Amino acid sequence: ELKVEQNPLFLSMQEGKNYTIYCNYSTTSDRLYWYRQDPGKSLESLFVLLSNGAVKQEGRLMASLDTKARLSTLHITAAVHDLSATYFCAVDMYSGGGADGLTFGKGTHLIIQP
Amino acid sequence: GAGVSQSPSNKVTEKGKDVELRCDPISGHTALYWYRQSLGQGLEFLIYFQGNSAPDKSGLPSDRFSAERTGGSVSTLTIQRTQQEDSAVYLCASSHRLAGGSGANVLTFGAGSRLTVL
Repeated sequence: ELKVEQNPLFLSMQEGKNYTIYCNYSTTSDRLYWYRQDPGKSLESLFVLLSNGAVKQEGRLMASLDTKARLSTLHITAAVHDLSATYFCAVDMYSGGGADGLTFGKGTHLIIQP
Repeated sequence: GAGVSQSPSNKVTEKGKDVELRCDPISGHTALYWYRQSLGQGLEFLIYFQGNSAPDKSGLPSDRFSAERTGGSVSTLTIQRTQQEDSAVYLCASSHRLAGGSGANVLTFGAGSRLTVL
């Protein structure tokens, strides 16, 4: 059974601090996706990591992928309140064709306080 | 359309009633997905449609759940004889994904339909 585990599931941090969210998965897929969800809103695609060693950055968020360790990280630098949201990582359900979709982690609920 | 549209946004129903949830995907997207989001449970895959192929129903939790997609566009998720444990947000997503495609599969989600079963 494909598993995607995020750590931590809940994080409260102060503005200006740095922190990292971890995503471990059990498949051999070399692609990983990060999504953001604001309360009551839809999921929004943040990053798509396509290969081992891939790194993507946007603003204060940086995502990386280590396919050998089956680990992706989402690093937050100098957090600001606007980054408060729930962050999900996801991997392809099937790595060799056939039906497609994403398997998601449970999400990391991030609260950034002034 | 500009995005994935879902209706209703909120639905309150009594236990035992049937409900229908609608999804209008992005025009031209061949793949359509239904997920369920329960508190603290992340996103649970329900069903997947790809073009005119038979849907992948492997995620449907029981035979009370069914879905159809008419004309390769609009989809309806039907829950019969609703139970309290069906209460959740039902999310629809669509993508450009081609059958057997090898590229990245970026899903675009709708805002969801919140179902409350009393």
